[in-house]
Amino acid sequence: SQQGEEDPQALSIQEGENATMNCSYKTSINNLQWYRQNSGRGLVHLILIRSNEREKHSGRLRVTLDTSKKSSSLLITASRAADTASYFCATDPNTPLVFGKGTRLSVIA
Amino acid sequence: GAGVSQSPRYKVAKRGQDVALRCDPISGHVSLFWYQQALGQGPEFLTYFQNEAQLDKSGLPSDRFFAERPEGSVSTLKIQRTQQEDSAVYLCASSLGDLEKLFFGSGTQLSVL
Repeated sequence: SQQGEEDPQALSIQEGENATMNCSYKTSINNLQWYRQNSGRGLVHLILIRSNEREKHSGRLRVTLDTSKKSSSLLITASRAADTASYFCATDPNTPLVFGKGTRLSVIA
Repeated sequence: GAGVSQSPRYKVAKRGQDVALRCDPISGHVSLFWYQQALGQGPEFLTYFQNEAQLDKSGLPSDRFFAERPEGSVSTLKIQRTQQEDSAVYLCASSLGDLEKLFFGSGTQLSVL
């Protein structure tokens, strides 16, 4: 079963624009993580935010977490064509991580 | 090695055939996970090891699926009498410990004809 639910399912933007993806989940968590998957490849860890954190930055990535609403958002600023990929949130009510269905991001040059 | 290695990269099996998928985790990583990913979906948990102990196998779809990690390093996922619905990408991931970030292999794409 998948706890996380990303929104939107697909997103298409122009290079240079910002991309925002949202994740909602159902049960209490310890951490929330975001992963990226290029077509035909494994997932790559992007960022981990702990349940007592509200915002975290890593390069062009900004993640927010609202535990009262059980939701998180991933913002990619100044997008590039190389950011084209699927993005997944993953939560850990227990081990193992539970992944959502993902947002497919297309960045058009 | 530098990352998680999975083999084979692609596997085509005839329905009813047995297959074995191998995962070589990052050296020193205690936890090892197997996920199944259908086309256009997120990874679905199959099973999890901490060293050689299989702590959770609740995600294995049927008793045709079996996983082992006998020496706490390399792991093998075996599927007996494969069915068409087993066609998917099988992903292996390892981590230093529980609730840590996962390092994924590139996966094995299994096609059952």
